[in-house]
Amino acid sequence: GAGVSQTPSNKVTEKGKYVELRCDPISGHTALYWYRQSLGQGPEFLIYFQGTGAADDSGLPNDRFFAVRPEGSVSTLKIQRTERGDSAVYLCASSFSRGPQETQYFGPGTRLLVL
Amino acid sequence: AQKITQTQPGMFVQEKEAVTLDCTYDTSDQSYGLFWYKQPSSGEMIFLIYQGSYDEQNATEGRYSLNFQKARKSANLVISASQLGDSAMYFCAMREGGYGGSQGNLIFGKGTKLSVKP
Repeated sequence: GAGVSQTPSNKVTEKGKYVELRCDPISGHTALYWYRQSLGQGPEFLIYFQGTGAADDSGLPNDRFFAVRPEGSVSTLKIQRTERGDSAVYLCASSFSRGPQETQYFGPGTRLLVL
Repeated sequence: AQKITQTQPGMFVQEKEAVTLDCTYDTSDQSYGLFWYKQPSSGEMIFLIYQGSYDEQNATEGRYSLNFQKARKSANLVISASQLGDSAMYFCAMREGGYGGSQGNLIFGKGTKLSVKP
């Protein structure tokens, strides 16, 4: 079956612009996570959705970052007034069960470059 | 303070030999889960193995095993019979909360780059 997909795969934008990153999770997965991975680092948590609602958005760095998942499936991460420091790979993951061994399946990521 | 520490930025191993990738963690929770992920150059994170804090036996998945030493707060990954395709970044991660770490986001270490030599 299809895995987690993310679009675009690469995004180049100018400082101050608005960008949207899309994540299409595995069908039937109720949980969806966004992470950000800077060069040479491990992924850092941004936000987690259970269904349509954001269960934990404590990782969002500031109010320029916002994410939605209106129908409990596809999610969009929105970044306003982009800054050069926002350049990173944005990873999306989804999972089905909430048991101890809940496996998060990751997408290929969107590489964002802010010039 | 770092919650996940991976002290080996890079490791080399000869093909067909075993290699151990180190991971130590810091938590005050009694219930948590530990994970290892592989990230090839393509960028996708691939789940390898899980160990719950209450599990008494070390987890194994094929050529992967997790050497879990709870008192030392270490969760080292052992890869047996290394293959060229094992060359990648390896990340240790932890999830706190819930039974065996069933709730919450993953907290990742900085990773170890493994290179397998032919």
